[in-house]
Amino acid sequence: QSVLTQPPSVSGAPGQRITISCTGSNSNIGAGYDVHWYQQLPGTAPKFLIRGNNNRPSGVPDRFSGSKSGTSASLAITVLQAEDEATYYCQSYDSSLSGTVFGGGTKLTVL
Amino acid sequence: EVQLVESGGGLVQPGRSLRLSCAASGFTFDDYALHWVRQAPGKGLEWVSGISWHSNTVDYADSVRGRFTISRDNAKNSLYLQMNSLRLEDTALYYCAKGGSGSPRGGWFDSWGQGTLVTVSS
Repeated sequence: QSVLTQPPSVSGAPGQRITISCTGSNSNIGAGYDVHWYQQLPGTAPKFLIRGNNNRPSGVPDRFSGSKSGTSASLAITVLQAEDEATYYCQSYDSSLSGTVFGGGTKLTVL
Repeated sequence: EVQLVESGGGLVQPGRSLRLSCAASGFTFDDYALHWVRQAPGKGLEWVSGISWHSNTVDYADSVRGRFTISRDNAKNSLYLQMNSLRLEDTALYYCAKGGSGSPRGGWFDSWGQGTLVTVSS
């Protein structure tokens, strides 16, 4: 079991909006540590998507956005496209474990 | 352009050792923390270890603490992972990742290598 909990899968039709949740605890997200997000296409290395809760690196479309509240965070993807089909991971730091933690990953299917 | 190239993976028997390397280029190596992240076949990402820019801060996942040692050579722009007492469950693709700051704590991973495969099997 991952320290950060994500739904195993989500799906949406092209053009729709989806959200992926990432639930932590008071030793990680709730302690104020930032949440970062990654996209992993099949057979490739993860790609950096969102840093510091809601900051996009250059080159990432503004269809991707993040938010954080309390012990949870969310990734939203608007105007869903076929190329968004991938697995998405959240990541933070845990003070009890003294280490970085990842969510279990959420597989996005574009219908 | 940031490049991270891992090497050193292979097939190894349980209980044996292996040393992974990561050659970096395209950024000021000694300004940033570096990490190892692994992914077992068909599974999610698991952070393994991180090291600060000056090697003063080193963190490990509980699953590898006491068996793995992370190190870096800033003169050679290289990151290493010495893996001892390998177990079947250490089988994974091991990625080298660049941190977003000099500390391995709390930051993001903004560049990743393509990974090197470690298979532990008798």
